Amino acid sequence: DGGITQSPKYLFRKEGQNVTLSCEQNLNHDAMYWYRQDPGQGLRLIYYSQIVNDFQKGDIAEGYSVSREKKESFPLTVTSAQKNPTAFYLCASSMGAGILYEQYFGPGTRLTVT
Amino acid sequence: DQQVKQNSPSLSVQEGRISILNCDYTNSMFDYFLWYKKYPAEGPTFLISISSIKDKNEDGRFTVFLNKSAKHLSLHIVPSQPGDSAVYFCAASVGNNNDMRFGAGTRLTVKP
Repeated sequence: DGGITQSPKYLFRKEGQNVTLSCEQNLNHDAMYWYRQDPGQGLRLIYYSQIVNDFQKGDIAEGYSVSREKKESFPLTVTSAQKNPTAFYLCASSMGAGILYEQYFGPGTRLTVT
Repeated sequence: DQQVKQNSPSLSVQEGRISILNCDYTNSMFDYFLWYKKYPAEGPTFLISISSIKDKNEDGRFTVFLNKSAKHLSLHIVPSQPGDSAVYFCAASVGNNNDMRFGAGTRLTVKP
């Protein structure tokens, strides 16, 4: 049963702590993405990776870091430098890089930082 | 700076009638547009897309219309079914760019 998994579904952290969100895919996709959604706004791209050991900043990368050591995994770390970390985070993957490849999304992780 | 806007946060229609979801954009460089559908507790799934060289693309009950001069696209669902109840996001991109810009979404409710 192929797909994208994100864990946990809900995550709570204290301000000043780094937190890592998990994203795993077994679709054998080359490209992976992280988006953030805030109330009343569309999804915004944080980082994307077209291939293992390579990743690029998206529109709102400040305060976030990623790694892509394995094809199936693209974890996102929300650092203490991110000013407004409370949001809904969505991970996606696609067969190739670029808009013409359909992106498949995970169910998301809702992060709350207090 | 929201380059893609969905001004109606919600829409309610009767089963069997037409649902029309609207999306406006400001960046005239956008040349590829997509609609995604999202059920609660699931990630968005791709629904239909259109390139700027077309003004209409149809897939079964779903049709997307693009009006480049008005910088407006719309998604028509005919006939609407209760299973279509979901949040619909429009998205746009410049060329084959990974940086899609999404609207905030419209929640469609189809009443039986």
